[in-house]
Amino acid sequence: AQSVTQLGSHVSVSEGALVLLRCNYSSSVPPYLFWYVQYPNQGLQLLLKYTTGATLVKGINGFEAEFKKSETSFHLTKPSAHMSDAAEYFCAVSDRSRDDKIIFGKGTRLHILP
Amino acid sequence: EPEVTQTPSHQVTQMGQEVILRCVPISNHLYFYWYRQILGQKVEFLVSFYNNEISEKSEIFDDQFSVERPDGSNFTLKIRSTKLEDSAMYFCASRQDRLDEKLFFGSGTQLSVL
Repeated sequence: AQSVTQLGSHVSVSEGALVLLRCNYSSSVPPYLFWYVQYPNQGLQLLLKYTTGATLVKGINGFEAEFKKSETSFHLTKPSAHMSDAAEYFCAVSDRSRDDKIIFGKGTRLHILP
Repeated sequence: EPEVTQTPSHQVTQMGQEVILRCVPISNHLYFYWYRQILGQKVEFLVSFYNNEISEKSEIFDDQFSVERPDGSNFTLKIRSTKLEDSAMYFCASRQDRLDEKLFFGSGTQLSVL
């Protein structure tokens, strides 16, 4: 069965600093991996996804993630944090079943310090 | 960008009462989902719906839960007799096509059972 583990329920970085949110996956088939973001009082928005092909995936708002099969990881990064990046971030994997439902991690709340 | 709309944004109910959570998926989408997030926990899959029937459901989705697409536009989740542990944020999601991995989420309904 597919699953994801996010390390750190809360991460704080200073404005302008590197953002690194960690995600490790477990999958019995080649995984489809996602990062979703949830801003306060809003729904879940897709940041980026990896299905096949290039292992470095670029998403919206300057975020990117790298699929590393050897490490079973899909960490999310952004070179320079902005105050507007404060949100909850969810790593997710598709179960590649008939319905391709998404299985989420517990989430990481990103705090940006001025 | 098209949106999935959920109403109400907050719902308070007494234990044992029936509630109906409403969702309007994106109009040309074919797959519909309900997820929930108990405070402080991960986003969990409840049920998927395709071609006017449930295609998959989780162990959470017991006989107290039902879904319906009554008129071709709305997609509802009914909880027949609410329990305290049903208090959570409920997210509706829809997808255009099984091969399109992007899931569009609504902003959620916060259900509080007293």
